[in-house]
Amino acid sequence: GNSVTQMEGPVTLSEEAFLTINCTYTATGYPSLFWYVQYPGEGLQLLLKATKADDKGSNKGFEATYRKETTSFHLEKGSVQVSDSAVYFCALLFGGSQGNLIFGKGTKLSVKP
Amino acid sequence: DAGVIQSPRHEVTEMGQEVTLRCKPISGHDYLFWYRQTMMRGLELLIYFNNNVPIDDSGMPEDRFSAKMPNASFSTLKIQPSEPRDSAVYFCASSLSFESQPQHFGDGTRLSIL
Repeated sequence: GNSVTQMEGPVTLSEEAFLTINCTYTATGYPSLFWYVQYPGEGLQLLLKATKADDKGSNKGFEATYRKETTSFHLEKGSVQVSDSAVYFCALLFGGSQGNLIFGKGTKLSVKP
Repeated sequence: DAGVIQSPRHEVTEMGQEVTLRCKPISGHDYLFWYRQTMMRGLELLIYFNNNVPIDDSGMPEDRFSAKMPNASFSTLKIQPSEPRDSAVYFCASSLSFESQPQHFGDGTRLSIL
């Protein structure tokens, strides 16, 4: 079946550290891949996306590359800020239907000054 | 542009009472989703609509939960009777049909059943 596995948190980093949050997926066909972010007290919001193999999504200094050979979509940022503290969700959409959006369990990131 | 609007933001009520959560999706979006988020179970899809028609309600926990979408700009999620284990944050989201389009989430309703 289709599924998303992301690294468990929480992840605690110092400001300006390098961030990687791992995400791997299992899917039939060619899914679209997303990273969502949830700030405290808010709903999820799209951070970046990639719709085909080798695509790189990027936003606010975050990047993720759609790797079909390793079925991965790892999130990276070169220098995190305190304001990046949030929960990050990897997600895949398969079968061309919005009803088929599967979220990972989320990874909580805390950035200390 | 206005995003997805949910009301109320917070609801505290006693068990056994009826609870109604409301959602106004983004204008022009033809999909609407209801999710529940808890520490134990994470983010769960309860039900979704396409063009106001319920498509998949397999995530609705039990008959105490019901959802309606009487028109393209309004949806409700009702719990009757409510129980303490229903305490959670409930999110509404909407999207366009195309696969590459993201879902847009409201800020959620934090529900506490005493």
